[in-house]
Amino acid sequence: DTAVSQTPKYLVTQMGNDKSIKCEQNLGHDTMYWYKQDSKKFLKIMFSYNNKELIINETVPNRFSPKSPDKAHLNLHINSLELGDSAVYFCASSQDGRSSKNIQYFGAGTRLSVL
Amino acid sequence: SQKIEQNSEALNIQEGKTATLTCNYTNYSPAYLQWYRQDPGRGPVFLLLIRENEKEKRKERLKVTFDTTLKQSLFHITASQPADSATYLCALTGGANNLFFGTGTRLTVIP
Repeated sequence: DTAVSQTPKYLVTQMGNDKSIKCEQNLGHDTMYWYKQDSKKFLKIMFSYNNKELIINETVPNRFSPKSPDKAHLNLHINSLELGDSAVYFCASSQDGRSSKNIQYFGAGTRLSVL
Repeated sequence: SQKIEQNSEALNIQEGKTATLTCNYTNYSPAYLQWYRQDPGRGPVFLLLIRENEKEKRKERLKVTFDTTLKQSLFHITASQPADSATYLCALTGGANNLFFGTGTRLTVIP
């Protein structure tokens, strides 16, 4: 069983479209995250949810909206896609994101290409 | 501004040698520093964590050091193997216990 799974693995779409990426974790963790990895492989946090509540919202355009229906799921919806949104998006989870220890478990990533 | 820099974007070494990767940070006071491995097309995988009051941590062929005075961590892989080829990322906790990642070092072990 995959611990953190995200779908789809690849997403190719046109500018201006709206798309969603889904993430699920079966580790029983309290905290889930979305990261963006750009073409230079730099990994940057976007959002963090602890028990369905938003605890981190880094400087991200409001076209990006996370939704957490329960603590095992954190989906990412993106409106009005732009060329600059092309990147690999990773979902991750940790046992308790409020802990400074904060070891994280990552999904395999979703490669988004905006044409 | 806060920075986490891994000084080599790419590192090539001969099989059997020790690989040493460096992580330097500024304007952070992390309680923990972590190292992750990332293979192409995959997410990062946690390897090791070291606390601020620990000087050194080992796990099999891996060794991590943490010098809070120098604001530096070194990551060593002894007796390196081609299977160790990957990108290695250091990460440390910042405000609100966010995890901030370094720029990564792509290690290639040549047979």
